Amino acid sequence: LAKTTQPISMDSYEGQEVNITCSHNNIATNDYITWYQQFPSQGPRFIIQGYKTKVTNEVASLFIPADRKSSTLSLPRVSLSDTAVYYCLVGDEQPTGTASKLTFGTGTRLQVTL
Amino acid sequence: DAMVIQNPRYQVTQFGKPVTLSCSQTLNHNVMYWYQQKSSQAPKLLFHYYDKDFNNEADTPDNFQSRRPNTSFCFLDIRSPGLGDAAMYLCATSTKGRVDQETQYFGPGTRLLVL
Repeated sequence: LAKTTQPISMDSYEGQEVNITCSHNNIATNDYITWYQQFPSQGPRFIIQGYKTKVTNEVASLFIPADRKSSTLSLPRVSLSDTAVYYCLVGDEQPTGTASKLTFGTGTRLQVTL
Repeated sequence: DAMVIQNPRYQVTQFGKPVTLSCSQTLNHNVMYWYQQKSSQAPKLLFHYYDKDFNNEADTPDNFQSRRPNTSFCFLDIRSPGLGDAAMYLCATSTKGRVDQETQYFGPGTRLLVL
């Protein structure tokens, strides 16, 4: 089971770039790295996923070094509405024919202020 | 829009009184999950259905059961709720079995209060 380690909390001002780093030293060869965002009283929402190097979408960028033992979620120019908990997850390999499972770590609580 | 729907959003029950939470999906996904999330904690997987096959997590209490009568619906039954079962219950779906490039789609959750 690949565990992840993230900072418990981060603070940022509106308009800044925020980088949240996640450590996953025991990541398996076939595991993807996925980030979810969760607002209070809502279900988690998929943000971005990657395997190696860099992935970018309309919401964020994900940087993964060659050894894949860590990853960094980058949120450009955050706003107040980006205040949320951000979870880094790595896939759990399951036997063929069985469903995947997500194991959430503690997550990073991002607080954005003016 | 295709989505995961949970009803009700808030549920109040009495200690020991059975309660059922419901989840429906319009995504036609073959896997449905139930998570429990307590205050300031991460979601914790209780069990999931892969099509009709039920898969229980080893540490899920027997007090929690689930039913999936068809692809679209999944229910969480708490037979005798205790005060410690007060939490947000999240339903999620995914489209295939392997985790590679797969994402889970979560509903808004049902917050359960036990009096």
